[in-house]
Amino acid sequence: QVQLQESGPGLVKPSGTLSLTCTVSDESISSAYWWTWVRQPPGKGLEWIGDIYYSGNTNYNPSLKSRVSISIDRSKNQFSLKVNSVTAADTAVYHCARAFWDGYKYYYGMDAWGQGTTVTVSS
Amino acid sequence: DIQMTQSPSSLSASVGDRVTVTCRASQSISSYLNWYQQKPGKAPKLLIYVASNLQDGVPSRFSGSGSGTDFTLTISSLQPEDFATYYCQQSYSTPLTFGQGTKVEIK
Repeated sequence: QVQLQESGPGLVKPSGTLSLTCTVSDESISSAYWWTWVRQPPGKGLEWIGDIYYSGNTNYNPSLKSRVSISIDRSKNQFSLKVNSVTAADTAVYHCARAFWDGYKYYYGMDAWGQGTTVTVSS
Repeated sequence: DIQMTQSPSSLSASVGDRVTVTCRASQSISSYLNWYQQKPGKAPKLLIYVASNLQDGVPSRFSGSGSGTDFTLTISSLQPEDFATYYCQQSYSTPLTFGQGTKVEIK
């Protein structure tokens, strides 16, 4: 059964860069899924950040697009998230997830998730 | 962006109750609506995808219905392990968006 595990610093300074990695186990990252980042600010709901396909195609949330980059490393079976110019509003639990789709146009659901990692933006 | 609105925001129910949560999209999303369950400190868990398809391993007391803009998640007989927050999410177009959540609490 696929497992996803987030890793990265838990504390980032304002105006700095948030960098997280998701390691995928028991599933090739070159499989036909969209590898996804979702975040959840404390006490709030879920926000889709963006995703990447094994080919390198990416989609981003326009609300974050200018500051976000998602990349993939097939040799390590990992994908990564970078968020630039962070502020306190970027403080959240960050989850990586796997989204399955119809292979053509439409996503289905996110059927596997990492446990999440808390990132706090503070000086 | 497609806005997703859930109702109610919270509800109190007893074990054995039938519970219904509603999700409305700001425009038609066909059947591309998914439901998740989240417990405190845990990752969301996919329950229902594409409006009415039960994810593998999810108990059959969970069901989903709807199309277009209006969708429903039903728990036919609430169990103690079902007390959690439930989120709908549209997968019709990016950016993918979630409802604000419905917290199901013990009465």
